[in-house]
Amino acid sequence: QSALTQPASVSGSPGQSITISCTGTSSDFGVYNYVSWYQQHPGKAPKLMIYNVSNRPSGVSNRFSGSKSGNTASLTISGLQAEDEADYYCSSYTSTRTLFGGGTKLTVL
Amino acid sequence: QVQLVESGGGVVQPGRSLRLSCAASGFTFSYYGMHWVRQAPGKGLEWVAVISYDGSNKYYADSVKGRFTISRDNSKKTVYLQMNSLRAEDTAVYRCAKEGVVAATAFDYWGQGNLVTVSS
Repeated sequence: QSALTQPASVSGSPGQSITISCTGTSSDFGVYNYVSWYQQHPGKAPKLMIYNVSNRPSGVSNRFSGSKSGNTASLTISGLQAEDEADYYCSSYTSTRTLFGGGTKLTVL
Repeated sequence: QVQLVESGGGVVQPGRSLRLSCAASGFTFSYYGMHWVRQAPGKGLEWVAVISYDGSNKYYADSVKGRFTISRDNSKKTVYLQMNSLRAEDTAVYRCAKEGVVAATAFDYWGQGNLVTVSS
């Protein structure tokens, strides 16, 4: 049960767009597209930002979007804002286990 | 509103046991699968275990299989994590998480977490 692979850090200036990748194997992702993304600010609980690859929960800004191609999922944040600075984790769900990525620290310059 | 409140953490010696509890409110607890996720200090998220809505199915990460047991009491709206044979590498903040309403494949609410420190 190895973690999904994410870049350790990404950065961008306010107003710019950034993309965080999440790479695994076909067995890591399973046959279904159950990829989620979580945002975590220091000392806080994670917050669900994207589920099932590209769906946003109610209340999450449409600046956040998700996609998947092959064995790589991606989270894109457009119009970067200072409040977006946080750690981001991808995850892959199957009925018997959930895998998380190692996490990516987003710095807003 | 949905609340998940963990308790039972603390400092424990290697090889000893500890039981965590997660009390739920604000939703129909018996409808949803529940998970435990941990986070070692300064590290990333690690999924630990899941229990189905009725307690009939339970699955574990390889790192805790055979040592940890997840259970639930729907009458008390509480999920538990019994942790035996604890190791230093089990030191982490443990959070319970609820499977989503619109998608059971994601966690839409998380507890604030409870720190477990395994040290002699």
